[in-house]
Amino acid sequence: DIQMTQSPSSLSASVGDRVTITCRASQSISSYLNWYQQKPGKGPQLLIYGASSLQSGVPSRFSGSGSGTDFTLTISSLQPEDFATYYCLQTYSTPYTFGQGTKLEIK
Amino acid sequence: QVQLQESGPGLVKPSETLSLTCTVSGASISSYSWTWIRQAPGKKLEWIGYIYYSGSTYYNPSLQSRVTVSVDTSKNQFSLKLSSVTAADTAVYYCARGPGGSHFTLDYWGQGTLVTVSS
Repeated sequence: DIQMTQSPSSLSASVGDRVTITCRASQSISSYLNWYQQKPGKGPQLLIYGASSLQSGVPSRFSGSGSGTDFTLTISSLQPEDFATYYCLQTYSTPYTFGQGTKLEIK
Repeated sequence: QVQLQESGPGLVKPSETLSLTCTVSGASISSYSWTWIRQAPGKKLEWIGYIYYSGSTYYNPSLQSRVTVSVDTSKNQFSLKLSSVTAADTAVYYCARGPGGSHFTLDYWGQGTLVTVSS
């Protein structure tokens, strides 16, 4: 199985901050990397697919980069509604595997 | 707008079979693949398996001997059955559309349903 290591596990930031979350795969996954946002009591919402493609309807302050084993999700200017938990998911090979999540909290 | 909603018993006894249904609206069940995922308390999200639009199924090897995913096109629903459950199967269970597209994305998810395994 491909192991996905996500960091940090938690992060405190302020409205307007630029935030970066990283995900590292245990082997190359090309660009088969997806990023999700999850709020309490809701299912994950797709933000980024194919490592860098913005899902329709997602604000442009979200961006993704990387290929191979190292990937980054960046939020350019945090908004109040962005405080949530973020997950990466590799869909390069089954079993698909997730990062452990990053909880983004208000400082 | 695509929406998915999980339903099923919230409490299952050990050794019994967990059965969940995902009702899909805004998309035809026969045109996409459909996936189940779960998250046990304090654990990572875990991919359970999916049913391809052709009817082929792919399961996590860690669960393969106990899992069945099926589709009911007449009701626009798909289902999960997990047999011989133990307390380790207590989790929030999610259904999702996909994998699809050029990067096998899971693009729409349900809100999840908590299933507790306990006598």
